[in-house]
Amino acid sequence: EDQVTQSPEALRLQEGESSSLNCSYTVSGLRGLFWYRQDPGKGPEFLFTLYSAGEEKEKERLKATLTKKESFLHITAPKPEDSATYLCAVQAPSGTYKYIFGTGTRLKVLA
Amino acid sequence: DGGITQSPKYLFRKEGQNVTLSCEQNLNHDAMYWYRQDPGQGLRLIYYSQIVNDFQKGDIAEGYSVSREKKESFPLTVTSAQKNPTAFYLCASRTDSLIGAFFGQGTRLTVV
Repeated sequence: EDQVTQSPEALRLQEGESSSLNCSYTVSGLRGLFWYRQDPGKGPEFLFTLYSAGEEKEKERLKATLTKKESFLHITAPKPEDSATYLCAVQAPSGTYKYIFGTGTRLKVLA
Repeated sequence: DGGITQSPKYLFRKEGQNVTLSCEQNLNHDAMYWYRQDPGQGLRLIYYSQIVNDFQKGDIAEGYSVSREKKESFPLTVTSAQKNPTAFYLCASRTDSLIGAFFGQGTRLTVV
């Protein structure tokens, strides 16, 4: 069964304390892995797409990496405004336009 | 500005009433989606549509209905058959399989 698991469920960091969020997946034939940021009461905001093992994408303090079994979202020197829930999703196998989402990691960055 | 507009942002309805959530996009995207989000759970797919006049059930379609008469619009009706309709509903669209979907700002439905 295709599945996406994110860890940890929640993470508290001090401002400037770097860390990583994990997204492990089992899917037959990965067609794309996606990272989103979601603020409370709002829709997810698209961050990155990764397609193949070894690929990396960066945006400001965020860097996403991909292996054959998991993806990491590295947060370098986070600021309080980075506090949000980070969602990971994979695209379902060929023939459908479906995405499979993880339950997210709630990140709180303390000043 | 291009984007996805969901309305209303908050919706209250009495138990047993049908209610329709609006989703409009001006991104010229082909595919559109409806997701439900509950606390502690991932986004769950209700329905999706890849082209006009065609749509498919997602994982939790029971108690919901949709239509796709125009490329820009994908309304979701929550019927009285939905046993637990109180939730945060998200609409999304996408044009390219290599790009992630873009989401609206959501509608929070509360049934009392």
